[in-house]
Amino acid sequence: DGGITQSPKYLFRKEGQNVTLSCEQNLNHDAMYWYRQDPGQGLRLIYYSQIVNDFQKGDIAEGYSVSREKKESFPLTVTSAQKNPTAFYLCASSIDRGGYGYTFGSGTRLTVV
Amino acid sequence: KQEVTQIPAALSVPEGENLVLNCSFTDSAIYNLQWFRQDPGKGLTSLLLIQSSQREQTSGRLNASLDKSSGRSTLYIAASQPGDSATYLCAANQAGTALIFGKGTTLSVSS
Repeated sequence: DGGITQSPKYLFRKEGQNVTLSCEQNLNHDAMYWYRQDPGQGLRLIYYSQIVNDFQKGDIAEGYSVSREKKESFPLTVTSAQKNPTAFYLCASSIDRGGYGYTFGSGTRLTVV
Repeated sequence: KQEVTQIPAALSVPEGENLVLNCSFTDSAIYNLQWFRQDPGKGLTSLLLIQSSQREQTSGRLNASLDKSSGRSTLYIAASQPGDSATYLCAANQAGTALIFGKGTTLSVSS
Protein backbone atom coordinates (compact mmCIF):
# COMPACT_ATOMS: atom_id res chain seq x y z
CA ASP A 1 0.00 0.00 0.00
CA GLY A 2 1.15 3.53 -0.74
CA GLY A 3 1.76 5.97 2.04
CA ILE A 4 4.16 8.15 3.98
CA THR A 5 6.60 6.73 6.49
CA GLN A 6 8.11 8.90 9.21
CA SER A 7 10.88 7.64 11.43
CA PRO A 8 11.63 7.43 14.22
CA LYS A 9 8.32 7.67 16.06
CA TYR A 10 10.03 9.07 19.16
CA LEU A 11 13.34 10.94 19.25
CA PHE A 12 15.31 12.38 22.12
CA ARG A 13 17.88 15.12 21.56
CA LYS A 14 20.47 16.53 23.87
CA GLU A 15 21.03 20.26 24.01
CA GLY A 16 23.31 21.42 21.18
CA GLN A 17 22.81 18.37 18.98
CA ASN A 18 21.52 18.27 15.43
CA VAL A 19 18.99 15.54 14.65
CA THR A 20 17.44 14.42 11.36
CA LEU A 21 13.84 13.26 10.96
CA SER A 22 13.12 10.93 8.07
CA CYS A 23 10.14 11.18 5.70
CA GLU A 24 9.66 8.78 2.78
CA GLN A 25 6.67 8.47 0.44
CA ASN A 26 5.81 5.90 -2.24
CA LEU A 27 2.77 7.73 -3.59
CA ASN A 28 4.65 9.32 -6.51
CA HIS A 29 3.60 12.71 -5.16
CA ASP A 30 5.45 15.77 -6.43
CA ALA A 31 5.09 17.98 -3.35
CA MET A 32 6.19 17.33 0.24
CA TYR A 33 5.80 19.35 3.42
CA TRP A 34 7.01 19.57 7.02
CA TYR A 35 4.79 20.91 9.80
CA ARG A 36 5.33 21.38 13.51
CA GLN A 37 2.51 20.92 16.02
CA ASP A 38 2.56 22.25 19.56
CA PRO A 39 -0.30 21.85 22.03
CA GLY A 40 -3.05 24.35 21.23
CA GLN A 41 -1.10 25.77 18.27
CA GLY A 42 -2.41 23.79 15.34
CA LEU A 43 0.05 22.96 12.53
CA ARG A 44 2.70 25.47 11.51
CA LEU A 45 4.57 25.16 8.21
CA ILE A 46 8.36 24.71 8.40
CA TYR A 47 9.42 23.95 4.81
CA TYR A 48 7.87 22.63 1.64
CA SER A 49 9.13 21.30 -1.68
CA GLN A 50 7.19 21.10 -4.92
CA ILE A 51 9.92 19.58 -7.05
CA VAL A 52 13.21 17.74 -6.57
CA ASN A 53 16.15 19.96 -5.65
CA ASP A 54 13.90 22.90 -4.77
CA PHE A 55 12.24 23.94 -1.51
CA GLN A 56 10.70 27.00 0.12
CA LYS A 57 10.68 28.30 3.68
CA GLY A 58 7.47 28.26 5.63
CA ASP A 59 6.45 30.45 8.54
CA ILE A 60 8.88 28.98 11.09
CA ALA A 61 11.96 27.84 9.10
CA GLU A 62 14.59 29.29 11.46
CA GLY A 63 16.69 26.55 13.05
CA TYR A 64 15.63 23.90 10.54
CA SER A 65 17.07 22.66 7.25
CA VAL A 66 15.81 20.29 4.54
CA SER A 67 16.94 18.60 1.34
CA ARG A 68 15.05 17.08 -1.59
CA GLU A 69 17.53 15.00 -3.55
CA LYS A 70 14.97 12.34 -4.44
CA LYS A 71 11.27 12.61 -5.17
CA GLU A 72 10.49 10.04 -2.48
CA SER A 73 12.46 11.59 0.37
CA PHE A 74 12.29 14.89 2.28
CA PRO A 75 14.38 14.72 5.48
CA LEU A 76 14.21 17.49 8.08
CA THR A 77 17.23 18.43 10.22
CA VAL A 78 16.57 20.18 13.50
CA THR A 79 19.73 22.15 14.24
CA SER A 80 21.14 23.41 17.53
CA ALA A 81 19.97 26.88 16.44
CA GLN A 82 16.34 25.85 17.05
CA LYS A 83 15.84 27.03 20.63
CA ASN A 84 12.63 25.18 21.42
CA PRO A 85 12.56 22.00 19.33
CA THR A 86 10.34 19.87 21.56
CA ALA A 87 7.23 19.25 19.46
CA PHE A 88 5.32 16.81 17.28
CA TYR A 89 6.59 16.90 13.67
CA LEU A 90 4.36 15.89 10.78
CA CYS A 91 5.40 15.23 7.20
CA ALA A 92 2.89 15.36 4.34
CA SER A 93 2.80 15.01 0.59
CA SER A 94 0.39 16.02 -2.17
CA ILE A 95 -0.07 15.02 -5.79
CA ASP A 96 0.92 18.44 -7.07
CA ARG A 97 1.35 22.04 -5.98
CA GLY A 98 -2.44 22.44 -5.93
CA GLY A 99 -2.61 20.43 -2.73
CA TYR A 100 -4.70 17.55 -4.03
CA GLY A 101 -4.37 14.23 -2.25
CA TYR A 102 -2.75 15.65 0.88
CA THR A 103 -1.51 12.64 2.86
CA PHE A 104 0.14 12.78 6.28
CA GLY A 105 2.61 10.51 7.99
CA SER A 106 2.08 9.34 11.57
CA GLY A 107 4.51 11.88 13.02
CA THR A 108 7.73 12.04 15.04
CA ARG A 109 7.67 13.28 18.61
CA LEU A 110 10.93 15.07 19.41
CA THR A 111 11.94 15.78 23.00
CA VAL A 112 14.97 17.71 24.19
CA VAL A 113 16.56 16.13 27.27
CA LYS B 1 -0.56 36.38 4.65
CA GLN B 2 -3.35 33.85 4.95
CA GLU B 3 -4.68 33.21 8.45
CA VAL B 4 -7.18 30.51 9.34
CA THR B 5 -9.30 30.65 12.49
CA GLN B 6 -11.55 27.96 13.92
CA ILE B 7 -14.30 28.33 16.48
CA PRO B 8 -15.13 26.90 18.91
CA ALA B 9 -11.82 25.56 20.20
CA ALA B 10 -13.66 22.73 21.96
CA LEU B 11 -17.14 21.27 21.81
CA SER B 12 -18.93 18.60 23.87
CA VAL B 13 -22.22 17.12 22.68
CA PRO B 14 -24.36 14.08 23.48
CA GLU B 15 -24.57 11.30 20.93
CA GLY B 16 -27.06 11.89 18.14
CA GLU B 17 -26.79 15.66 17.93
CA ASN B 18 -26.16 17.48 14.68
CA LEU B 19 -23.33 19.98 14.97
CA VAL B 20 -21.50 22.67 13.05
CA LEU B 21 -17.81 23.55 13.16
CA ASN B 22 -16.74 26.93 11.87
CA CYS B 23 -13.67 28.05 9.94
CA SER B 24 -12.77 31.51 8.67
CA PHE B 25 -9.90 32.67 6.47
CA THR B 26 -8.54 36.14 5.81
CA ASP B 27 -7.60 35.94 2.12
CA SER B 28 -10.51 34.95 -0.13
CA ALA B 29 -8.19 34.10 -3.05
CA ILE B 30 -7.97 30.48 -1.97
CA TYR B 31 -7.34 27.56 -4.30
CA ASN B 32 -8.66 24.77 -2.09
CA LEU B 33 -10.14 24.45 1.37
CA GLN B 34 -9.80 21.17 3.21
CA TRP B 35 -11.07 19.60 6.40
CA PHE B 36 -9.01 17.02 8.29
CA ARG B 37 -9.50 14.83 11.33
CA GLN B 38 -6.76 14.12 13.89
CA ASP B 39 -6.92 11.51 16.63
CA PRO B 40 -4.68 12.04 19.70
CA GLY B 41 -1.00 11.47 18.93
CA LYS B 42 -1.69 10.57 15.31
CA GLY B 43 -1.30 12.08 11.88
CA LEU B 44 -4.12 13.80 10.00
CA THR B 45 -6.73 12.15 7.82
CA SER B 46 -8.33 14.09 4.97
CA LEU B 47 -12.13 14.34 5.21
CA LEU B 48 -13.28 16.74 2.51
CA LEU B 49 -11.72 19.02 -0.11
CA ILE B 50 -13.62 21.92 -1.61
CA GLN B 51 -12.20 23.55 -4.70
CA SER B 52 -12.52 27.33 -4.98
CA SER B 53 -15.18 26.97 -7.68
CA GLN B 54 -17.36 24.71 -5.52
CA ARG B 55 -19.83 25.59 -2.79
CA GLU B 56 -19.96 22.31 -0.87
CA GLN B 57 -18.84 18.71 -0.63
CA THR B 58 -20.48 15.75 1.10
CA SER B 59 -19.17 12.45 2.40
CA GLY B 60 -21.49 10.27 4.40
CA ARG B 61 -22.63 12.19 7.49
CA LEU B 62 -20.23 15.06 6.75
CA ASN B 63 -21.03 18.14 4.70
CA ALA B 64 -18.64 21.04 4.18
CA SER B 65 -19.60 24.36 2.67
CA LEU B 66 -17.51 27.21 1.33
CA ASP B 67 -18.36 30.89 1.02
CA LYS B 68 -15.34 32.64 -0.42
CA SER B 69 -16.91 36.10 -0.38
CA SER B 70 -17.35 36.01 3.39
CA GLY B 71 -14.18 34.00 4.05
CA ARG B 72 -16.01 31.17 5.78
CA SER B 73 -16.38 27.42 5.69
CA THR B 74 -18.49 25.16 7.87
CA LEU B 75 -18.30 21.45 8.58
CA TYR B 76 -21.67 19.91 9.41
CA ILE B 77 -21.70 16.54 11.18
CA ALA B 78 -25.05 14.79 11.25
CA ALA B 79 -26.16 12.37 13.97
CA SER B 80 -22.88 12.52 15.90
CA GLN B 81 -21.38 9.32 17.34
CA PRO B 82 -18.73 8.69 20.04
CA GLY B 83 -16.37 7.59 17.26
CA ASP B 84 -16.50 11.14 15.88
CA SER B 85 -14.57 12.36 18.92
CA ALA B 86 -11.34 13.89 17.57
CA THR B 87 -9.81 17.22 16.61
CA TYR B 88 -11.05 18.68 13.34
CA LEU B 89 -8.74 20.99 11.41
CA CYS B 90 -9.53 23.36 8.59
CA ALA B 91 -6.85 24.39 6.10
CA ALA B 92 -6.63 26.58 3.02
CA ASN B 93 -4.06 27.18 0.31
CA GLN B 94 -3.54 29.56 -2.55
CA ALA B 95 -2.28 28.38 -5.91
CA GLY B 96 1.20 26.90 -5.62
CA THR B 97 1.45 27.21 -1.85
CA ALA B 98 1.20 24.85 1.08
CA LEU B 99 -1.89 24.43 3.24
CA ILE B 100 -2.21 26.83 6.16
CA PHE B 101 -4.04 25.32 9.13
CA GLY B 102 -6.31 26.62 11.83
CA LYS B 103 -5.76 25.53 15.44
CA GLY B 104 -8.61 23.04 15.28
CA THR B 105 -11.81 22.23 17.14
CA THR B 106 -11.64 19.36 19.63
CA LEU B 107 -14.93 17.46 19.59
CA SER B 108 -16.12 15.13 22.33
CA VAL B 109 -19.27 13.07 21.75
CA SER B 110 -20.64 11.30 24.82
CA SER B 111 -22.76 8.15 24.72
